Amino acid sequence: EAQVTQNPRYLITVTGKKLTVTCSQNMNHEYMSWYRQDPGLGLRQIYYSMNVEVTDKGDVPEGYKVSRKEKRNFPLILESPSPNQTSLYFCASTPNPGQAEKLFFGSGTQLSVL
Amino acid sequence: AQSVAQPEDQVNVAEGNPLTVKCTYSVSGNPYLFWYVQYPNRGLQFLLKYITGDNLVKGSYGFEAEFNKSQTSFHLKKPSALVSDSALYFCAVKDDKIIFGKGTRLHILP
Repeated sequence: EAQVTQNPRYLITVTGKKLTVTCSQNMNHEYMSWYRQDPGLGLRQIYYSMNVEVTDKGDVPEGYKVSRKEKRNFPLILESPSPNQTSLYFCASTPNPGQAEKLFFGSGTQLSVL
Repeated sequence: AQSVAQPEDQVNVAEGNPLTVKCTYSVSGNPYLFWYVQYPNRGLQFLLKYITGDNLVKGSYGFEAEFNKSQTSFHLKKPSALVSDSALYFCAVKDDKIIFGKGTRLHILP
C-alpha cells in the first residue's frame, strides 16, 4: 500500500530535549516536505527536499533541521524544542512539486513541548 | 507573491442543503488551484484541481469547484451536503511552490 509513515503519532517532551520525528515513504517520490498545522494559521511549510541531499527552507524553518540521506526518509529534527513548537506536524511526498494532486500526507505527529 | 485566502473559519450547513466553501487567490501567472479535505486524525487528502480548461471542476465525493478568473476565486461546492462531509477543507495554490489556505471547518447539521 502506498503510504507516508510518520512516527511517533503523539509526543510530549520538555524544553531543550532534542527529538526526531521520522517520515518514510514507499512510493519512490523525489519530493518530500514537512508542514506544521496550527489553528487559524493552516499549514505552513517548514522544510522541503527536491531529492536526496537537496533540502531547502520553507516558510517557518527556524528551530528545525532536516536531512535527506536516502530517498525514502526525511526526518525532522528539533535540536532544542521550545513551547512555541507545540503543533501538529505533517510529512508529505509527491513525485514532483508540480503535482500537488499527488501530495500524499502522513497521519500527523502531535507534539507538545512543556 | 502568491497567496490564498479562505475568508470563513467555519461554515454550517443543514444536511441536504447545498454548500459553498470560499477561496480566493493571488498569483503572478496562470493559477494551479487545489482543494484538500482533512478528516479527524488524518492527513490531508486531495479532492480536486484546476489547471486549465472548464471553469467547473468535478472531484471526489460529489464535490465540485468553480474557477472565476475575474473574481480570482475557486469556491468549493456540493449540491446536497451529507453529515459525513463534516471536515476541515483547505484551498491551495501553486505558482513556484504550493501554498495552503488557513482552512475552513465545515459542519453539516443532521
